[in-house]
Amino acid sequence: GEDVEQSLFLSVREGDSSVINCTYTDSSSTYLYWYKQEPGAGLQLLTYIFSNMDMKQDQRLTVLLNKKDKHLSLRIADTQTGDSAIYFCARTHFGNEKLTFGTGTRLTIIP
Amino acid sequence: DTEVTQTPKHLVMGMTNKKSLKCEQHMGHRAMYWYKQKAKKPPELMFVYSYEKLSINESVPSRFSPECPNSSLLNLHLHALQPEDSALYLCASSPGQGATDTQYFGPGTRLTVL
Repeated sequence: GEDVEQSLFLSVREGDSSVINCTYTDSSSTYLYWYKQEPGAGLQLLTYIFSNMDMKQDQRLTVLLNKKDKHLSLRIADTQTGDSAIYFCARTHFGNEKLTFGTGTRLTIIP
Repeated sequence: DTEVTQTPKHLVMGMTNKKSLKCEQHMGHRAMYWYKQKAKKPPELMFVYSYEKLSINESVPSRFSPECPNSSLLNLHLHALQPEDSALYLCASSPGQGATDTQYFGPGTRLTVL
């Protein structure tokens, strides 16, 4: 099956930028997503990028997609304590509405 | 409005009980989903309804029974569950356009099976 991998943990000082990375194995992507999950809560859609794009910026969030390396990243500028959460990347496949999730990255903010 | 609501927020049930989880959206979406999420893991897809018809069943045990009474509502009927079924159950919805859809998630129901 197809794997979507993320590093499990990331610690960042408040005010710095956070970069969360995601790699995938199947190149037949359509949309790629970033979701945020706070403790005990559901998944909040943060942003998404279509597979024919390289970059998307939305306020403090920047998504970069390197299709050659099958690498997706989420940059959060000026990281705040409210950004503490687990971040999941996810993708859909052509002809299929199923979402494949990454393993999730727990972001911890250091005061 | 991108809200998906789920009730109840928490549910504790015994292995002989019958209970139901409910999910509702008023975004006009035509696809709805049930996911199961264990602690520290990503969500796992259970069922997909597309235009009120079951389109995907990820080999889920029959003690979980989904129902889509109309395009806004999705239920998950639970019967004779096992303790290992304890998890966060997430509902999601999307417009129903296939691979270009974006899924919006509810807050989840935290289920504990004793």
